[in-house]
Amino acid sequence: NAGVTQTPKFRILKIGQSMTLQCAQDMNHNYMYWYRQDPGMGLKLIYYSVGAGITDKGEVPNGYNVSRSTTEDFPLRLELAAPSQTSVYFCASSYSRNAGNSPLHFGNGTRLTVT
Amino acid sequence: QKEVEQDPGPLSVPEGAIVSLNCTYSNSAFQYFMWYRQYSRKGPELLMYTYSSGNKEDGRFTAQVDKSSKYISLFIRDSQPSDSATYLCAMRSGGSEKLVFGKGTKLTVNP
Repeated sequence: NAGVTQTPKFRILKIGQSMTLQCAQDMNHNYMYWYRQDPGMGLKLIYYSVGAGITDKGEVPNGYNVSRSTTEDFPLRLELAAPSQTSVYFCASSYSRNAGNSPLHFGNGTRLTVT
Repeated sequence: QKEVEQDPGPLSVPEGAIVSLNCTYSNSAFQYFMWYRQYSRKGPELLMYTYSSGNKEDGRFTAQVDKSSKYISLFIRDSQPSDSATYLCAMRSGGSEKLVFGKGTKLTVNP
């Protein structure tokens, strides 16, 4: 049981390039989330999904896109990368929105640098 | 005023000390309160969860929520070097999908 798997672990992008951060979970969770974590700034929600085919914006969605064609996968797309998108990106999943009985399970992150 | 305020520290204590970590918040609709622990270069993991006000104890860890003061705390007794990590408070309201995180407090427990 791998949990939440994120690829790649590290990536360096040039300004204006695009890339997709991959996230897969094998726990049959309906809810999936993308967060970014900047030093000393906590976790900010980018996008989330409550099931296949359903996505919604979080707190900081600009510059990103998502899709959810299957329960297992929730890729995050960066178009026209900017230095402000340098961050650590975490994907998370949960069975339901009840945080106590259904905590967020996080992947180990993708460390992205845009130069 | 930010929705969730958390002192980023860093906090350094000797092994065996009692550690107190705190967050304040402004949104009175928050009902679910959590503490996540994050080791270096890892994703956060849920440590403690409390619904509404009150205390919850799990081994060396105690979580407290005071909704009247909009203040939550995490206490660690007999702290160990393995407790060295960043601790993030998180909370959300009943009808929301969105978990709001504090900035995290970096804790180091020295042997």
